[in-house]
Amino acid sequence: GAVVSQHPSRVICKSGTSVKIECRSLDFQATTMFWYRQFPKQSLMLMATSNEGSKATYEQGVEKDKFLINHASLTLSTLTVTSAHPEDSSFYICSASLGSQGDGYTFGSGTRLTVV
Amino acid sequence: AQSVTQLDSQVPVFEEAPVELRCNYSSSVSVYLFWYVQYPNQGLQLLLKYLSGSTLVKSINGFEAEFNKSQTSFHLRKPSVHISDTAEYFCAVSEGYSSASKIIFGSGTRLSIRP
Repeated sequence: GAVVSQHPSRVICKSGTSVKIECRSLDFQATTMFWYRQFPKQSLMLMATSNEGSKATYEQGVEKDKFLINHASLTLSTLTVTSAHPEDSSFYICSASLGSQGDGYTFGSGTRLTVV
Repeated sequence: AQSVTQLDSQVPVFEEAPVELRCNYSSSVSVYLFWYVQYPNQGLQLLLKYLSGSTLVKSINGFEAEFNKSQTSFHLRKPSVHISDTAEYFCAVSEGYSSASKIIFGSGTRLSIRP
């Protein structure tokens, strides 16, 4: 089945620095990937839709310059949290789908970002 | 736009008791419905999904959900829960089933099993 690998699983960074999170589709090509953010004990909020070879589509209220998304190949999408602040601390999860050809949506294992 | 409501944020039950986690959705078009389970500090795992056909769908570990179009519901049930079922459960909806279709999640229900 479709597998999505997300790296790193945990990262701690200093305030003001940038952090890159990678999401790879291991055994399929993902023209579209989705990035979610999850606060403790809350649901997943869709941040943006990452499109291979074109600009990402951001949800309302998500800062494009803050959360940079790059989807340069059919198997890799990256989310960069720029100039991170403590309020950016959260659990970030990526997802991809094979659509009707697969079993729906597959999720990465998530990245726990802590900004100190 | 579609939305998902999970009325119960927490559901405590005793081991071997039955459980129902409620999910209601709203959408102006046909929907595809999902239940995902999340264990602490992990990603989401698909539990079951409704795409079309039979309105009753089942998972391999004893969960089932029934799509009720008239009540716009997709409640999750299990006749007898185990300690290992302790997790967060998310109901989700998508208005399409292509690789580019967004999936929207409910707020989640924390299922805690008491011995």
